[in-house]
Amino acid sequence: GENVEQHPSTLSVQEGDSAVIKCTYSDSASNYFPWYKQELGKRPQLIIDIRSNVGEKKDQRIAVTLNKTAKHFSLHITETQPEDSAVYFCAASRGDMRFGAGTRLTVKP
Amino acid sequence: SQTIHQWPATLVQPVGSPLSLECTVEGTSNPNLYWYRQAAGRGLQLLFYSVGIGQISSEVPQNLSASRPQDRQFILSSKKLLLSDSGFYLCAWSVPGQGNQPQHFGDGTRLSIL
Repeated sequence: GENVEQHPSTLSVQEGDSAVIKCTYSDSASNYFPWYKQELGKRPQLIIDIRSNVGEKKDQRIAVTLNKTAKHFSLHITETQPEDSAVYFCAASRGDMRFGAGTRLTVKP
Repeated sequence: SQTIHQWPATLVQPVGSPLSLECTVEGTSNPNLYWYRQAAGRGLQLLFYSVGIGQISSEVPQNLSASRPQDRQFILSSKKLLLSDSGFYLCAWSVPGQGNQPQHFGDGTRLSIL
């Protein structure tokens, strides 16, 4: 089955800096890659997703890139703000979604 | 629009007691339904998923079970809780039959076993 690895497990940046979280997946048939943000004690919420026919997608300060050949995808957050502090999960799916272990992002004011 | 409801929000149970967590989805028909567990500070562990009434697939063998008595109702149960069952339980739904779609999570149930 699919195996998703996510790095780093923790990330601390200064407000205004960029943050990058990387994920690799094992199943080349995976074709859908969502990213979720989970604030403390709350439910994971979808923030952006990308499908395998697209290499990059942007939504304001967040972007996701996908390299199908290398089987990795990344989340980029620019101009980080304290409210970006949360745990971020990547996932890969070809019908059955598998999640990475999460990255705890801390943005210091 | 679609909404997902989970209850209770928090639950404290003694070891060996039974469990029933309920999840319902509104605004869609025949959703795919999922139960996840999240230990403190950890990732999402898929426990069960269902593609239709009475159809349950188990990902991890353990003392939990799931049932789907109605199209938009998903129940997580246990006959005897263990200390290791503590965690944050999340129900999620996704649109069926349209290729890969995002999963949408409920607000979760925080379960503490004493």
